Amino acid sequence: GENVEQHPSTLSVQEGDSAVIKCTYSDSASNYFPWYKQELGKRPQLIIDIRSNVGEKKDQRIAVTLNKTAKHFSLHITETQPEDSAVYFCAASAAGTALIFGKGTTLSVSS
Amino acid sequence: DGGITQSPKYLFRKEGQNVTLSCEQNLNHDAMYWYRQDPGQGLRLIYYSQIVNDFQKGDIAEGYSVSREKKESFPLTVTSAQKNPTAFYLCASTGQSANTGELFFGEGSRLTVL
Repeated sequence: GENVEQHPSTLSVQEGDSAVIKCTYSDSASNYFPWYKQELGKRPQLIIDIRSNVGEKKDQRIAVTLNKTAKHFSLHITETQPEDSAVYFCAASAAGTALIFGKGTTLSVSS
Repeated sequence: DGGITQSPKYLFRKEGQNVTLSCEQNLNHDAMYWYRQDPGQGLRLIYYSQIVNDFQKGDIAEGYSVSREKKESFPLTVTSAQKNPTAFYLCASTGQSANTGELFFGEGSRLTVL
């Protein structure tokens, strides 16, 4: 089955800096790669996703890149703000299967 | 008000007892999922169901059981065979195919075994 590795487990940045979280996956059949954000005490929520026919996707300060050959994808957050502080999860799945999540990255943005 | 509802929010259980966590959605979603969340372990898949009367095991199904008799409901039973049941349990659903749509999560149920 699919296995998703996520790094780093914790990340501390200054407000305004960029943050990058990286994930690798094992199943070459995986074709859907979402990112979820979980604020303290709240449920995870989708922030951005990318499909295997796209190499990069951007939504305001958030971008995701995908390298299918190397089986890795990354989340990029620019101009970080204190409200970006949360746990971020990457995930991957193939057609007809459920999402498999990474272990999460705790992002702390200090002002 | 549409959404996905989990109950109870907090649950305490004695060792050796089975307990059932409820998950109900009124989003008309076909697929439903159960994940377990432990600190530093991410979200681990327990079971999922893509259609009524059908479900598949996830990575950590041992010691758990589910049923999907109605589209709206996907209860999870934590049996006495589950060796480390104390955890935070999240239910989710999606209206699109199993791997291409946004997962909508419930608020979770925290189970503590005394």
